[in-house]
Amino acid sequence: QVTLKESGPVLVKPTETLTLTCTVSGFSLSNTRMGVSWIRQPPGKALEWLAHIFSNDEESYSTSLKSRLTISKDTSKGQVVLTMTTVDPVDTATYFCARIDSTMAYFDYWGQGTLVTVSS
Amino acid sequence: DIQMTQSPSSLSASVGDRVTITCRASQSISTYLNWYQQKPGKAPKLLIYVASNLQSGVPSRFSGSGSGTDFTLTISSLQPEDFATYYCQQSYRTPYTFGQGTKLEIK
Repeated sequence: QVTLKESGPVLVKPTETLTLTCTVSGFSLSNTRMGVSWIRQPPGKALEWLAHIFSNDEESYSTSLKSRLTISKDTSKGQVVLTMTTVDPVDTATYFCARIDSTMAYFDYWGQGTLVTVSS
Repeated sequence: DIQMTQSPSSLSASVGDRVTITCRASQSISTYLNWYQQKPGKAPKLLIYVASNLQSGVPSRFSGSGSGTDFTLTISSLQPEDFATYYCQQSYRTPYTFGQGTKLEIK
């Protein structure tokens, strides 16, 4: 059974760094056929892809957020970490991690999401 | 970045209706197009991948078609559980991008 679960702070102050962790089970981060992506959704708005990482450590980032994002993984722990620097209230959103097919890049399993609010 | 535009943004329909949602890409994406369903407070759920492939466990009333820049998601006979928001997503090139969503409401 494939599961993904996001964890991290509920509230972050502007200019701080946000660190989110996605813990996966039911598949391995060393599997070459899949990877993990982060996707966010501001309240009442559309989905926005942020980043992905694959088993070979290939990374890719959103054009607009590239300078502020870092994605990494710990295969032995089954965890993928997303770091976002210098957060702003516009970064308030539900953050999802999802499994991504490495060939066709669709997201077949999703975590439940975690709501992060940026406010002083 | 490749822009994805869905139409309509919202749609009212009745149980049993046939519904079609359109997604247009700003450039050709071959068949690298996926569809998701999202219900309030829940994570999106993959319905269709690579334009026309039905994800395991998804009812056969859902179908997808298209290639190049124009794609459609069709629900052949709406069921009460189908009222949700639907998103398309291109996976042709990073950064992957989603449409703005189509909210399907009960008439």
